[in-house]
Amino acid sequence: GNSVTQMEGPVTLSEEAFLTINCTYTATGYPSLFWYVQYPGEGLQLLLKATKADDKGSNKGFEATYRKETTSFHLEKGSVQVSDSAVYFCALSDHYANDMRFGAGTRLTVKP
Amino acid sequence: EAGVTQFPSHSVIEKGQTVTLRCDPISGHDNLYWYRRVMGKEIKFLLHFVKESKQDESGMPNNRFLAERTGGTYSTLKVQPAELEDSGVYFCASSPLGQGYNEQFFGPGTRLTVL
Repeated sequence: GNSVTQMEGPVTLSEEAFLTINCTYTATGYPSLFWYVQYPGEGLQLLLKATKADDKGSNKGFEATYRKETTSFHLEKGSVQVSDSAVYFCALSDHYANDMRFGAGTRLTVKP
Repeated sequence: EAGVTQFPSHSVIEKGQTVTLRCDPISGHDNLYWYRRVMGKEIKFLLHFVKESKQDESGMPNNRFLAERTGGTYSTLKVQPAELEDSGVYFCASSPLGQGYNEQFFGPGTRLTVL
């Protein structure tokens, strides 16, 4: 079945550091891939998505590229800010399953 | 446009009690999903409604959990009787018909603590 494996946290970085959160997936078909973010006290928000191989999703300085050959969708940001402190979830869905499959979440803390 | 709302935001109950969680999806969204995140682990699917019908309830942990969506609008998730392992954050999500694979819109979640 479909599944997502996500880099375990927590991750603590200094402001302006480079961020990578690894995500790999297993899927029988051609899934869509997502990064959701949960800021403190808020719900899950879609950060970015990619629907086919080699697509790059980007938003708020974050990027992730759908790599079919390595079944990966790693999240990157060149320079993190304190306001990026949140929990990040990698997820996938496909046209056949009714559910979205999530990774365990990675808590990011950015210190000034 | 209002987003997905959930009530209550927090609930603390004792083992054996009953709790009912409510979810109001985005207006016009026929797909409604319930998910749960337990103890900092992955968010797991519980069930999926299309309008008022249960499309998939394969993720429901046991028969202590009952979900309803009367009239195809809001949904409730009742846990009766609650057990310690039911503690976690319960998320609701919605999406337009035929678009569930594309993006689901999530509510803020209900944090349930069973003592």
